[in-house]
Amino acid sequence: AQKVTQAQTEISVVEKEDVTLDCVYETRDTTYYLFWYKQPPSGELVFLIRRNSFDEQNEISGRYSWNFQKSTSSFNFTITASQVVDSAVYFCARVGNMLTFGGGTRLMVKP
Amino acid sequence: EAGVTQFPSHSVIEKGQTVTLRCDPISGHDNLYWYRRVMGKEIKFLLHFVKESKQDESGMPNNRFLAERTGGTYSTLKVQPAELEDSGVYFCASSQLWSQGREKLFFGSGTQLSVL
Repeated sequence: AQKVTQAQTEISVVEKEDVTLDCVYETRDTTYYLFWYKQPPSGELVFLIRRNSFDEQNEISGRYSWNFQKSTSSFNFTITASQVVDSAVYFCARVGNMLTFGGGTRLMVKP
Repeated sequence: EAGVTQFPSHSVIEKGQTVTLRCDPISGHDNLYWYRRVMGKEIKFLLHFVKESKQDESGMPNNRFLAERTGGTYSTLKVQPAELEDSGVYFCASSQLWSQGREKLFFGSGTQLSVL
């Protein structure tokens, strides 16, 4: 199976710190898609970003940014100036014929 | 617009009992997916409906699990008889289009199933 690995199971930071969530994936496909989802305490998975394998440009959305490095099969997610509301479990995922998720990283942002 | 809704949000049953989970996708979404997260591990694919047809059920763990989507609207996932290892969070997701899974999925809040 082509895995998605999120090595950090849990990260704790203090508000206003920057934090990077790592994601490494395996793939034999030349074309594929990568995703990040957020699971807040309410439980639902909230879509954050989708990136296709042809687009290696980094993306920034407010305090969120994503670094896609095809050479290292990584798709890392950085939150700048973290806030308590960022506390959640974050999942990285890739698509082959179905979404394959990583194990998730629980982020705790303390005031 | 209502999102994907799942019922119940929590279910606690004893080993050997039957449980039925329900998912109402976003109106107009032909694609409906079931996923589950067991023991805090990865979220894993169970199956995919396109309207009322099962497009892919390769992730269903065994024949104790039965998913239906009569009429192509809501879906049910029945576990009979439930075993301890079935405990976890069961997510439902839907999407309007299907392009080999590349589309953005809208997820529900999940059903936390505890089998004692």
